[in-house]
Amino acid sequence: TQLLEQSPQFLSIQEGENLTVYCNSSSVFSSLQWYRQEPGEGPVLLVTVVTGGEVKKLKRLTFQFGDARKDSSLHITAAQPGDTGLYLCAAYNTGKLIFGQGTTLQVKP
Amino acid sequence: DAGVIQSPRHEVTEMGQEVTLRCKPISGHNSLFWYRQTMMRGLELLIYFNNNVPIDDSGMPEDRFSAKMPNASFSTLKIQPSEPRDSAVYFCASRTSGRETQYFGPGTRLLVL
Repeated sequence: TQLLEQSPQFLSIQEGENLTVYCNSSSVFSSLQWYRQEPGEGPVLLVTVVTGGEVKKLKRLTFQFGDARKDSSLHITAAQPGDTGLYLCAAYNTGKLIFGQGTTLQVKP
Repeated sequence: DAGVIQSPRHEVTEMGQEVTLRCKPISGHNSLFWYRQTMMRGLELLIYFNNNVPIDDSGMPEDRFSAKMPNASFSTLKIQPSEPRDSAVYFCASRTSGRETQYFGPGTRLLVL
């Protein structure tokens, strides 16, 4: 059983569409991170959210931390082919960073 | 600044052979992590070091896996003997202790035939 459950696992959309990726858990976290991983590379940190209800924006990406700090979402507006990649949520549990299974996003031109 | 450096980037070997993966963390970082990524299990922490000392190796799958960090700028992950189920991408990451951001290397893609 994954401590962090991501959905959907796969998403294939056309350029210009909007999408939302979810990261859910039954545990409460002090913070939650989102990474993007491109083929052949390691994950790269996009953002860390730390406060319940917090919303952070990174250009066309909007990240939200749930009020109870158990879940998070990533919304992409007007997706572009350059957004293609694996999106991972992660959180520290007993001092170790654990990851969700990831959402593979493909944005077709 | 150079990021985390891993070598080799790709490794193909036969079952039973010894495999050594190498990592150079970012200079000044004192925590180092080894992860394994597979389609089935995702990204899993194998072991991590603080100030060159192994802190938690509970993620190491079995005795065939071992990791060392002889100094602050070098770590190895060794598999002996290797098995086909060890095929995966192995990542090294580093960070400054107390900071939450980990920086990942490009990974070593291992294929055991």
